[in-house]
Amino acid sequence: DAKTTQPPSMDCAEGRAANLPCNHSTISGNEYVYWYRQIHSQGPQYIIHGLKNNETNEMASLIITEDRKSSTLILPHATLRDTAVYYCIVRVLSNSGYALNFGKGTSLLVTP
Amino acid sequence: DGGITQSPKYLFRKEGQNVTLSCEQNLNHDAMYWYRQDPGQGLRLIYYSQIVNDFQKGDIAEGYSVSREKKESFPLTVTSAQKNPTAFYLCASSITGYEKLFFGSGTQLSVL
Repeated sequence: DAKTTQPPSMDCAEGRAANLPCNHSTISGNEYVYWYRQIHSQGPQYIIHGLKNNETNEMASLIITEDRKSSTLILPHATLRDTAVYYCIVRVLSNSGYALNFGKGTSLLVTP
Repeated sequence: DGGITQSPKYLFRKEGQNVTLSCEQNLNHDAMYWYRQDPGQGLRLIYYSQIVNDFQKGDIAEGYSVSREKKESFPLTVTSAQKNPTAFYLCASSITGYEKLFFGSGTQLSVL
């Protein structure tokens, strides 16, 4: 199963772009990269996902390297409400079917 | 509004007692999931169900039981066999087993 590696914590100034990295060096060709975030004591919220191409939606952009071994989630103009734990997940097939496996993620702190 | 409703928000269990956590969705999703989250940790899969009247064990199913008699409901019972039940429990659903997850707001279970 492909594993992901994320820094445990990051800081970002309000109004600046937040760039959250994720390494997934063992990803296979048909595995997608998903990003979720979890604000304290709430359920995780889906942000974006991608396979090969860069993706953008109203919340964020996802940049995947050409070799697919790493990706970056970009929040273009971070606000205080973006303070949360961000999970980078590779969709794997395991004894859990296609269920997503969440690691510890990156705790992003947006400061005034 | 469509969504996933978990109840109660806080629950207390006495020693040797079974307790049931409720999860209801009106999104018409086929797949439903239960995750457990311990402080400072990621989410771990307990059980999942891809279709009514069928469910599979996740990574940490021991001490838990589920049922899926209706499409919109997926209750989780924490049995007395679960020796360390104190955690934050999250229910999720998806259109099929292959799409993004939608999460409820969670239930915090504590042992008296």
